[in-house]
This record gives sequence, structure tokens and C-alpha cells, in this order.
Amino acid sequence: KAGVTQTPRYLIKTRGQQVTLSCSPISGHRSVSWYQQTPGQGLQFLFEYFSETQRNKGNFPGRFSGRQFSNSRSEMNVSTLELGDSALYLCASRQGAGNTIYFGEGSWLTVV
Amino acid sequence: QQQVKQSPQSLIVQKGGISIINCAYENTAFDYFPWYQQFPGKGPALLIAIRPDVSEKKEGRFTISFNKSAKQFSLHIMDSQPGDSATYFCAASTYNTDKLIFGTGTRLQVFP
Repeated sequence: KAGVTQTPRYLIKTRGQQVTLSCSPISGHRSVSWYQQTPGQGLQFLFEYFSETQRNKGNFPGRFSGRQFSNSRSEMNVSTLELGDSALYLCASRQGAGNTIYFGEGSWLTVV
Repeated sequence: QQQVKQSPQSLIVQKGGISIINCAYENTAFDYFPWYQQFPGKGPALLIAIRPDVSEKKEGRFTISFNKSAKQFSLHIMDSQPGDSATYFCAASTYNTDKLIFGTGTRLQVFP
């Protein structure tokens, strides 16, 4: 069974640009969440989706958005990139309530 | 209230020794406490998890001890091996949510 797949793995963007990151959850997993990991702030929850609905949102500005498609795949978007958005963005999926949350290997975003 | 405090920040252990990492939380609504292991360049991988209805859970060389009254939980790695060298994160969440609140991480180095 394939794990959580994230694309692209690495990308470099310029300040002010926008970026879209993609996530394919483990087959059969309907719940997808996103996290930002930085050396300074650690691992922080961004948002959580289930059946195409956002169920929870972390404390991030409105420049950070996401969505989930009917096949459970998810995307997150960051608009008007700032230098501080440079981070590892992790996607995670879960089959259902109470089950293990599995993480992908992340997308490394560098904003220059 | 939402924080999970983790210590120590770094840990150096000799091969065969016991590694102990501690976490404390405030929110009594938390009812799921996983530990994740992360190697450089990889996403976090679930190591072991516990719910507050038990005080200890053991899986191989890894044991979680849970003290509900003190709102503390800890990870014990017995017979530590160089391959255990990684960053360890404790986390907490409530049932039926993917919103994990992570500790700040402990970098473990096991020397032969």
C-alpha cells in the first residue's frame, strides 16, 4: 500500500508569488490534514479536511488555504509568499476516527 | 492550554542505555497521545501511542508511561541503538480530529 504522497518535494519561489502543494492520501483514507514545520516554530497544524469539508483550521493567516477533492486528494495554497513561509509542509492522512495519522515526506518550500 | 511541553531539547545516550523523553500538557480534553520519530529529510512516523485509560504501553523497546493526574507522559527507549538517533516528537489531540498539538522535539543521539 502506497504511503501519503506529496508533490512537489522541493520548490523555490520568489516573495509575492503563490504556490500550490498537492497531497495524495493513503488509499481508503478520507481524512487529510496539513502541517507546517520550521526550526523556529516546530510542527504546527494548518488545516484538516474530511469529505471535502474543512473541519478544523490552525492559527495561520488567510493567505494559507486548502481544499479536498472527491477522491480525497488535497491541495494547499499559499498566496503572496513571504520569506517566513519557507518551511517543510507536511500532509497527513487517516482512515477514520481514532486511527493512526500517517505523514508524507513533505514538500520543502524555500521563498527567496 | 493548547501547548505540549517537551524536554529535554537534546539527549545523548550510549548504545545499550535508556533514553527518556518527557512531555506535559494542560488541556484535559486531550485523549490521544502519540510519539513520532523523524529522521532528517523524512516525514514524522508514528512510533507508539497511548490513550488516557491506561498508564503504560509497551511495544518492543519503546514504552509510553502516562500519568493522568500529573498530565504528563514520557517515552522510554530501552537498549538504545545508533539507529534510534533521530528527532522525537510527542503530541496530543482529541478524539476524531487530526489536529495534533506537537511538542518542540527532542534530538536523540545514540553513540556506539
